[in-house]
Amino acid sequence: EPEVTQTPSHQVTQMGQEVILRCVPISNHLYFYWYRQILGQKVEFLVSFYNNEISEKSEIFDDQFSVERPDGSNFTLKIRSTKLEDSAMYFCASSGLWTATEAFFGQGTRLTVV
Amino acid sequence: GENVEQHPSTLSVQEGDSAVIKCTYSDSASNYFPWYKQELGKRPQLIIDIRSNVGEKKDQRIAVTLNKTAKHFSLHITETQPEDSAVYFCAARHGATNKLIFGTGTLLAVQP
Repeated sequence: EPEVTQTPSHQVTQMGQEVILRCVPISNHLYFYWYRQILGQKVEFLVSFYNNEISEKSEIFDDQFSVERPDGSNFTLKIRSTKLEDSAMYFCASSGLWTATEAFFGQGTRLTVV
Repeated sequence: GENVEQHPSTLSVQEGDSAVIKCTYSDSASNYFPWYKQELGKRPQLIIDIRSNVGEKKDQRIAVTLNKTAKHFSLHITETQPEDSAVYFCAARHGATNKLIFGTGTLLAVQP
């Protein structure tokens, strides 16, 4: 069964450093997303990406965040200058062509900012 | 703004009993309502979903009901088993976008 894969599974970084979280969505999906989950809290939407551009972003997704689809398979989330409060589990997800199809989540990257 | 409320936050049942988790959404344009099960440290996994043109959907021991007028939807698990223990999240998706708005989660504990 196809699945969304994310790397790394755990990333520890110094405050102020840049991090790039990587995702390989399911191959025939067209919509890509990043969500985050602070420990013990609910999953929060960050950004959606379609047709090589951001289609929607939340207020969390400020200028420190960016997304990119550098090639036909990868989808990345970059945090330019990490803050302690960026520590969370980051989930990538993808969904198919039709708007009401299910979103499949990757296994997550646990980001710890120290 | 868009919001999904979920109750209860914790639910403890005896094995074999039923469990019901309820959610309310604010955006009347929402048209898709998935439920995710998340085990500790793992990804949210879709267990069942319902679209706005349907009132009820069932898959073995799991069922979801939707009341569009009241903007409520519920997850029903029958004959609960210890392996059902997890955090369950409801979510709602707006028709014009694809983002999911999640509820706050319900920690379900099934006591053997």
